Amino acid sequence: EAQVTQNPRYLITVTGKKLTVTCSQNMNHEYMSWYRQDPGLGLRQIYYSMNVEVTDKGDVPEGYKVSRKEKRNFPLILESPSPNQTSLYFCASSVGQGAAQYFGPGTRLTVL
Amino acid sequence: GEDVEQSLFLSVREGDSSVINCTYTDSSSTYLYWYKQEPGAGLQLLTYIFSNMDMKQDQRLTVLLNKKDKHLSLRIADTQTGDSAIYFCAERMDSSYKLIFGSGTRLLVRP
Repeated sequence: EAQVTQNPRYLITVTGKKLTVTCSQNMNHEYMSWYRQDPGLGLRQIYYSMNVEVTDKGDVPEGYKVSRKEKRNFPLILESPSPNQTSLYFCASSVGQGAAQYFGPGTRLTVL
Repeated sequence: GEDVEQSLFLSVREGDSSVINCTYTDSSSTYLYWYKQEPGAGLQLLTYIFSNMDMKQDQRLTVLLNKKDKHLSLRIADTQTGDSAIYFCAERMDSSYKLIFGSGTRLLVRP
């Protein structure tokens, strides 16, 4: 089954404790992206990757890092999480930039 | 600037038609998308329309595009309770190929 998976689905952590949210797709998509969803703000892009070893900042990259060592995986790293990073995070992939994106189920992160 | 706007909430009775509206800013956008988000789930692509089209129909869904007014709408015929969800429109910025999402319209279908 073609899908985008994210782990964990729910995470509660404390300020400053490094965490990684994993994202994996099995559709051989070149383009992958991370979004955060906050009430009243819709989806805002954090980082995206056009292909392996090619990543770039989205609209709200501060406080986040990503890597794309393999085509299927695109982890989101929060080196020192802060409460304003409490949000619902979505990973997405597509055959190319601007093409219809397929979304993961989301990761709800709470930073205390 | 880049902005996609939608009304926040729509309530309809089961069996009626729903119309969700969206306005966008980039007149050169090539593709416009509609996504559906059910509670606790990710976004699911419903349909899309290419900018040289005025209308696209897919079963109960009809997308209308007015390029002059930069207005996009999604009509759901015979709305069912399972259609209750948040609906997002998104435009593809041709200058950057980014997808810009609206803030979503919550559709509530009353029995």
